[in-house]
Amino acid sequence: DIVMTQTPLSSPVTLGQPASISCRSSQSLVHSDGNTYLSWLQQRPGQPPRLLIYKISNRFSGVPDRFSGSGAGTDFTLKISRVEAEDVGVYYCMQGTQFPLTFGQGTKVEIK
Amino acid sequence: EVQLLESGGGLVQPGGSLRLSCAASGFTFSNYAMSWVRQAPGKGLEWVSVILGSGVNTFYADSVKGRFTISRDNSKNTLYLQMNSLRAEDTAIYYCATYTRTRGFDYWGQGTLITVSS
Repeated sequence: DIVMTQTPLSSPVTLGQPASISCRSSQSLVHSDGNTYLSWLQQRPGQPPRLLIYKISNRFSGVPDRFSGSGAGTDFTLKISRVEAEDVGVYYCMQGTQFPLTFGQGTKVEIK
Repeated sequence: EVQLLESGGGLVQPGGSLRLSCAASGFTFSNYAMSWVRQAPGKGLEWVSVILGSGVNTFYADSVKGRFTISRDNSKNTLYLQMNSLRAEDTAIYYCATYTRTRGFDYWGQGTLITVSS
């Protein structure tokens, strides 16, 4: 199974400042079709998860452009350019390259 | 607008069974793979199972293989999860979600809580 490891597990951020979350996979996420199936999800308190980013860097419908994804192979990053109050929650990376599908442990973003 | 509504959750004794349903609307259900993802209280997300649009191909996490069965009725736009031999560690909120390889889990329901306890 591919193990997804996120750092940090907690990220206190000042409003308006950037935040960055790292996700590392135990093996390359490059699929045999040449694509890399790495996505990022946000889970606000008391809410179901919501897709933010797919295939490393593609924003899903309705996602603000302050969210961006980057990376390749086994190392990936989610960045929030300027954190807003509504960004508080837990962020998960997820690999869809092979079954079983696996998630990172989650990174809690909170306001200082 | 895509809507997914889970039902069937509740309290069940260890060793018992339960069937979850997920009613889908706002998209062509039969064209989408569907998935169940669970979240134990205060914990992270765990993928449970996926079923492709035709219903023929299914995949399971090792933790539920042989105990859970995913199915769908495309005529009713409904996804199911039959859960047998339930254990305390199956206690979680169960979410249904649409699934594509390209985007992963793109739309989610609100979830239904399963508590396995005597």
